[in-house]
Amino acid sequence: GAVVSQHPSRVICKSGTSVKIECRSLDFQATTMFWYRQFPKKSLMLMATSNEGSKATYEQGVEKDKFLINHASLTLSTLTVTSAHPEDSSFYICSARSASGRGETQYFGPGTRLLVL
Amino acid sequence: GQSLEQPSEVTAVEGAIVQINCTYQTSGFYGLSWYQQHDGGAPTFLSYNALDGLEETGRFSSFLSRSDSYGYLLLQELQMKDSASYFCAVRYNAGNNRKLIWGLGTSLAVNP
Repeated sequence: GAVVSQHPSRVICKSGTSVKIECRSLDFQATTMFWYRQFPKKSLMLMATSNEGSKATYEQGVEKDKFLINHASLTLSTLTVTSAHPEDSSFYICSARSASGRGETQYFGPGTRLLVL
Repeated sequence: GQSLEQPSEVTAVEGAIVQINCTYQTSGFYGLSWYQQHDGGAPTFLSYNALDGLEETGRFSSFLSRSDSYGYLLLQELQMKDSASYFCAVRYNAGNNRKLIWGLGTSLAVNP
């Protein structure tokens, strides 16, 4: 099956620093990648949708200057949490939709657990 | 607006059958997906229904009735490893985009 990787899997940082999370589709080309945030025991909250080569579309209430998304290639998207604060601590998950095959299926990365001290 | 409802918790025993229901209210409905998520892990895709009827994949089956805005995930021959959260997600057309809205998840506990 399709594989999506995320790096890092876990990061602890100080308040005020920026953190970059990478999402890669390893064995397929992803025209669209999604970034989600999930709090413990809660559902996934879509933050933004990114299409390769164009600007990301952010969901209502998500600050685009706070969460910078770059989708530079068909296999890589990055999320940068700028000037992180403790309330940004969460589980961040990316998913990718294949450019071919069963286009309605999203493949999820393993997630990145961010803790801001 | 768009909304989904699914039970918050379900408990069953090993070997049993359990059904997790999902009702939705959406405009521009396109299809219903089910995902499984174990604690601390990422969601994994289980099934997708765009048309009415039953889709079977091994021990798991998913059903959709578009006229009733209703679907369910059926898990048979339950195993301990099936203890996880199960999310239904509806794909719908939003203007020129196709979006996905997630339910709040059903926590399934399988007991010996």
